[in-house]
Amino acid sequence: NAGVTQTPKFRVLKTGQSMTLLCAQDMNHEYMYWYRQDPGMGLRLIHYSVGEGTTAKGEVPDGYNVSRLKKQNFLLGLESAAPSQTSVYFCASSYPPGGGEKLFFGSGTQLSVL
Amino acid sequence: KQEVTQIPAALSVPEGENLVLNCSFTDSAIYNLQWFRQDPGKGLTSLLLIQSSQREQTSGRLNASLDKSSGRSTLYIAASQPGDSATYLCAVRPKAGGTSYGKLTFGQGTILTVHP
Repeated sequence: NAGVTQTPKFRVLKTGQSMTLLCAQDMNHEYMYWYRQDPGMGLRLIHYSVGEGTTAKGEVPDGYNVSRLKKQNFLLGLESAAPSQTSVYFCASSYPPGGGEKLFFGSGTQLSVL
Repeated sequence: KQEVTQIPAALSVPEGENLVLNCSFTDSAIYNLQWFRQDPGKGLTSLLLIQSSQREQTSGRLNASLDKSSGRSTLYIAASQPGDSATYLCAVRPKAGGTSYGKLTFGQGTILTVHP
């Protein structure tokens, strides 16, 4: 049972470089989310999607872009990485309200920006 | 803006004790509340989900209660074991309406250590 899979698991970037984090889920969930987790700040929502082809901003969207071209995939892009984006990134998915809203998380991506 | 606070930030107990973790939220207009467990270096695992119309949910040794009007939830762990050591987080989903469903707000978590 794969659930929510994130790639890569670790990445080191230099300031100004770009990268894409991939999230894939095999549970046919409508909703998908990208969070970042920082010490003392907890989990903060970056962007989320309520269905294929739709995305919305969360609490801390600046410096990130997302795309949901296929229902099972949710991509998080950093166009020009900054040291402030050093964090652990988590993807999650769920059914919409009324269909069971438990969130299922991936195992995270540890990103360091030097 | 919804704010979620968890108290205590850390808790250390001997094996076998019953314990309570607290979660409070500032906006009572929630759709549901979830409790999660996070092990070091891992993702979060959903433990219990309480709908706004419910008062409590139980799973094994875990019991979560919700008092929406006062903005509080508790997670009760009975007969704690060393394997329960982890960080426990609560998260609230806003009340139904538009796409705000997606904007879950998390507390910062309680780090639980159960020592033998």
